[in-house]
Amino acid sequence: AQKVTQAQTEISVVEKEDVTLDCVYETRDTTYYLFWYKQPPSGELVFLIRRNSFDEQNEISGRYSWNFQKSTSSFNFTITASQVVDSAVYFCALETGANSKLTFGKGITLSVRP
Amino acid sequence: DAMVIQNPRYQVTQFGKPVTLSCSQTLNHNVMYWYQQKSSQAPKLLFHYYDKDFNNEADTPDNFQSRRPNTSFCFLDIRSPGLGDAAMYLCATSIVSNQPQHFGDGTRLSIL
Repeated sequence: AQKVTQAQTEISVVEKEDVTLDCVYETRDTTYYLFWYKQPPSGELVFLIRRNSFDEQNEISGRYSWNFQKSTSSFNFTITASQVVDSAVYFCALETGANSKLTFGKGITLSVRP
Repeated sequence: DAMVIQNPRYQVTQFGKPVTLSCSQTLNHNVMYWYQQKSSQAPKLLFHYYDKDFNNEADTPDNFQSRRPNTSFCFLDIRSPGLGDAAMYLCATSIVSNQPQHFGDGTRLSIL
């Protein structure tokens, strides 16, 4: 069975602070895919990144960076110099090669205060 | 331009009165999904279509049905809505499995 744990439920930071959102996953499959989605107050889920299990290379996209470590089954997301527009719920999700079902974590509510 | 379009954005129905939510896509993706999301919870997959193949989640109530008449459109039918069905319903598409899903803005369903 697949499981995604986002232990942090709510995080509040002041604008320009760096913040890291944690994600730990469980799966017995050797082929799997990890995702991060952002859900702003307007409601739509926005895709941020996809990583497959064979690619542990970290990625940076502007102020966003992702740290994938298979040794600790973690796929953490860091926002550098946070902005008010980063306020949203962030979901980490796992999809295995065996099925096409996304297993979501419970989400982390990030509030960035001016 | 919106690529996954859900109508209406807000839907109010009466307890027990059938309701249909619609989703259309301009991406020509093979897979379409319906999720239910209740307040402060993660989206919960109800079912998905891979082309015309329908895949129902084991815990999706029989009250929920879906239709996909063609590649572009997918419908969610709730035959007899109960108060517990009040939620945001999200439609998503992906080109194939294991690829990023593109979500619509959702339909927020209220039950009176």
